[in-house]
Parts: sequence; C-alpha cells; structure tokens
Amino acid sequence: DIQMTQSPSTLSASVGDRVNITCRASQSISKWLAWYQQKPGKAPKLLIYKASNLEIGVPSSFSGSGSGTEFTLTISSLQPGDFATYYCQHYNNYSPWTFGQGTRVEIK
Amino acid sequence: QVQLVQSGAEVKKPGASVRVSCKTSGYTFTDFYLHWVRQAPGQGLEWMGRINPNSGDTKYAQTFQGRVTMTSDTSISTAYMELSSLRHDDTAVYFCARERPPVATNSWGQGTLVTVSS
Repeated sequence: DIQMTQSPSTLSASVGDRVNITCRASQSISKWLAWYQQKPGKAPKLLIYKASNLEIGVPSSFSGSGSGTEFTLTISSLQPGDFATYYCQHYNNYSPWTFGQGTRVEIK
Repeated sequence: QVQLVQSGAEVKKPGASVRVSCKTSGYTFTDFYLHWVRQAPGQGLEWMGRINPNSGDTKYAQTFQGRVTMTSDTSISTAYMELSSLRHDDTAVYFCARERPPVATNSWGQGTLVTVSS
C-alpha cells in the first residue's frame, strides 16, 4: 500500500501567519491527493481535491500544490477557525486509499 | 441536499460483531461509491474500504480483510459496515462518506462510536 507521511505533526502559529503542511507519498500518486480539516468531535471536511483544486465553499486562503510524491497545503493567513487537525489522503481507483497521520495546528 | 445519517452508538464485548448503518438521501444512491473510515480515540483517520452500491463490489483495506463486510440495500438507500471478532482496539468512531469523483469524499456521516469493552 502507498504510505503517506505528513510533516510537521504539530504546528504552533498565530492568527495571520502563513502556514505550510507537507505530505509525502511513498510512490508517485500523480495528483490524486486530497486535504481535509477536522475539528474535535466532527467529521472531516474536504478542503482540496486533485492536489490543487479548492472544494466549493472553502475560503481562498487555503491552497494546495504538488504532484508525484510531494504535496503542500498552504493557509495564507491563519484565522481563528483554522485551528484544527489537517489530513492528507491518497485516493484513486487502483489502490487502497490511505491517510497521512495528521498535522495539528495550534495557537502559539 | 446530500445527507448521510448513521446509526447510534454501540457497546460490544470482545469477540462480538457490530453493524453500523449509513442512511443516505438527496442523491441517487447507486451513482456513488460509499467509503468507511474509522478514528480511534485521539488518533488519526484510517480508511477501511468502500462499496459500489450499484454492483455490490467491495474493496477492503488489508488490515480489515476477513473481518469486515460492507453491504448495501438499494431499496432504502442505506449502506452497512459489519466488523467481526471485535477487539478492544476496535474502539473508535466509524464514519461513512460518499465519493464524488474526482473530488474524493466530500459528504460524510456524523460518525458512530463503537466501544469494545469487557
């Protein structure tokens, strides 16, 4: 199975900061990568699909980039509602889907 | 609008089985795959597998092969996930989620807490 590795595991930041979260795949996954935000007690919320496409209704402060094995989620200006845990996910029809281990974004 | 409503919390003993349901509405049930994902307390997300409600075809994560069965009832637009031979470390919140290609999963159920306790 394809392994997804996120870094960092925890990130301390302030409101207004620019934040980058990295996700690496154990083999090339082209652009078959999604990013989710999860808050405590809630289901994950899709932010980005196919590596760089913003899901409907998601603020433009979120963006995704990358292809192959290295991907980045960027929050251009952190807002109070953005403090949460973020997961990358590999998905396609040919192999089992897998999640990264998560990145917790906390208030500095 | 698309809705996925899951069954309520369960408490099971080790060795037992649990079945979680996911009732869908707001779209044509047979047009989209349904996935199951679980999250142990304080841990990350773990993909369990998916079902094609139109054909019944399933794909399971290796970790759950032999213990998980995903089914669907098209007459009531409901998917089911049954996990057998439960262990304490199966205690988790189980989510169903609808896949909408090429978007991955953008509609999720509210989650069902399954507690395995002797």
